[in-house]
Amino acid sequence: QSVLTQPPSASGTPGQRVTISCSGSSSNIGSNYVYWYQQLPGTAPKLLIYRSNQRPSGVPDRFSGSISGTSSSLAISGLRSEDEADYYCAAWDDSLSGPVFGGGTKLTVL
Amino acid sequence: EVQLVESGGGLVQPGRSLRLSCAASGFTFDDYAMHWVRQAPGKGLEWVSGISWNSGSIGYADSVKGRFTISRDNAKNSLYLQMNSLRTEDMALYYCAKASGSWYLGGDWYFDLWGRGALLTVSS
Repeated sequence: QSVLTQPPSASGTPGQRVTISCSGSSSNIGSNYVYWYQQLPGTAPKLLIYRSNQRPSGVPDRFSGSISGTSSSLAISGLRSEDEADYYCAAWDDSLSGPVFGGGTKLTVL
Repeated sequence: EVQLVESGGGLVQPGRSLRLSCAASGFTFDDYAMHWVRQAPGKGLEWVSGISWNSGSIGYADSVKGRFTISRDNAKNSLYLQMNSLRTEDMALYYCAKASGSWYLGGDWYFDLWGRGALLTVSS
């Protein structure tokens, strides 16, 4: 059981906007930044969003992050087939003194 | 090229030991904290351990505390994970990951570069 809660799956058609949620608690999302990682099939994870809503250079502005209270969301607009991947949220947990992850959301582009 | 390359994975029996290594290149290794993150087959990501730039601050997940030891050799641009008393539930792909900052905890703990992983299989 992961400390952060994500839906196991999400889907959308090309061009659509999809959102993936990540729910935590006061010891993690409620008091620290959230990070999002994209894992394409058979590859290592890649940083997608840092400090809740910042994009590393090279990440398209179709990807955006937001945070509210003890929850966070990743939004992907203008969905493309190459966005099909697993997406993970992560945050520092003050109680556990370490980073924690969500269980991951498998995004399917129909 | 900026990269991390893990090695040392393999098949080991329960209760035995194994050491993973991670070779860093393309960046100033001793400026950054480093982590190990694992992913069991078909499962999600789990943080295993982190170490600050000067080895002065180290942390472990509860699931490996007392059995695993993280270390680094800045002269060799290398990160290590000594794994003892291995269990079947330790079986996973182990990723080496670079932190954004010098300390494995605090605001810059997050992973901004990952290796391809080293596979550990634990089976009798």
